[in-house]
Amino acid sequence: DAGVIQSPRHEVTEMGQEVTLRCKPISGHNSLFWYRQTMMRGLELLIYFNNNVPIDDSGMPEDRFSAKMPNASFSTLKIQPSEPRDSAVYFCASSPYPGPLQETQYFGPGTRLLVL
Amino acid sequence: SQQGEEDPQALSIQEGENATMNCSYKTSINNLQWYRQNSGRGLVHLILIRSNEREKHSGRLRVTLDTSKKSSSLLITASRAADTASYFCATDTPNAGKSTFGDGTTLTVKP
Repeated sequence: DAGVIQSPRHEVTEMGQEVTLRCKPISGHNSLFWYRQTMMRGLELLIYFNNNVPIDDSGMPEDRFSAKMPNASFSTLKIQPSEPRDSAVYFCASSPYPGPLQETQYFGPGTRLLVL
Repeated sequence: SQQGEEDPQALSIQEGENATMNCSYKTSINNLQWYRQNSGRGLVHLILIRSNEREKHSGRLRVTLDTSKKSSSLLITASRAADTASYFCATDTPNAGKSTFGDGTTLTVKP
């Protein structure tokens, strides 16, 4: 298996632009997670899905952030409009276990976002 | 505040020495996991220990869990330069539905 795939790997954009990050989880995994990592805040869970349904989006910082999972093999995280403080590494992770008991998560390589 | 907090924040040792990192948490857990992150990469799962387990081994890794003290430790024996990375603990609490990660310990192993 190729593992969790994220694209793009690097994104540089200007403030105010829309940014779309993409994730393909490992085939057969039922849970998908979006994280943001910065030096100041560490690793933050933004949102996660079980069986394509958003379960907890309490970590989404603002309405400028939105995430979708239209099917089991694809998810997007969108920032509109982007701001410099959104600069971070965004990770997608998937897990084979649905439901409230979370176990091993498999992380993608991350998207390094820089908003100028 | 974070559920899991690693200690120390940074650790520097010589190759061949053992490295010990600690994780403390605040509330009851279902299980606790340790992850490694190499610079510029995603996190990689190392080991999971359940709340009813006290110790677990995987190769050069040894994890202990003390639920009475709400703490866990990760021991890496006979460290190698390739072990240089950040190490995170993640706790899964009942009914939370998600793992909560600590801030990590940055380990540097000098050749």
